[in-house]
Amino acid sequence: KNQVEQSPQSLIILEGKNCTLQCNYTVSPFSNLRWYKQDTGRGPVSLTIMTFSENTKSNGRYTATLDADTKQSSLHITASQLSDSASYICVVSAEEYGNKLVFGAGTILRVKS
Amino acid sequence: DGGITQSPKYLFRKEGQNVTLSCEQNLNHDAMYWYRQDPGQGLRLIYYSQIVNDFQKGDIAEGYSVSREKKESFPLTVTSAQKNPTAFYLCASSTRGQLNTEAFFGQGTRLTVV
Repeated sequence: KNQVEQSPQSLIILEGKNCTLQCNYTVSPFSNLRWYKQDTGRGPVSLTIMTFSENTKSNGRYTATLDADTKQSSLHITASQLSDSASYICVVSAEEYGNKLVFGAGTILRVKS
Repeated sequence: DGGITQSPKYLFRKEGQNVTLSCEQNLNHDAMYWYRQDPGQGLRLIYYSQIVNDFQKGDIAEGYSVSREKKESFPLTVTSAQKNPTAFYLCASSTRGQLNTEAFFGQGTRLTVV
């Protein structure tokens, strides 16, 4: 079973609308949780990094939240733009996995005009 | 212009051939990593190197080999022993272990077996 589960697998929204992507993890304790944006055929780019003591972190129209008690994180995108169309990947790092990151499979977001 | 560069962007391999993917960084990062990405799956770690002349196997090292002769370079060889090499390969680097530091990714190499 994957230690990082993301939902939904894919999502289509209209330009200008908001959306929320979910990430559930079983890795515990963990050092930090990250959200990456990956455009098709490109490498992932970091959006946010949160330690277990942080509840929320924003990066422009992207806001990540973290509930360490329920082991859930969400990424909220406000006023979506066509350029937001990408895969969004949740990543957890934990000492029990040594010096490694554990990646979710990603949520594919498509923003339509 | 600092960054991490992978080449080529697209690579085609015949059955039984070895191919080498290039990864170069000018960020002065100590640690470098190779990941494999398949549709519907999270990135999986192939090999990583924390320092020059040292590297460790990741979760799916079989059929792959690496070298780290220079700090800036971490090439990945996909050998004929890798039975299903068609995938998107990503190289990453960080100042030290990825655990608590930012990791930067290259643009990827798409390898296809023909």
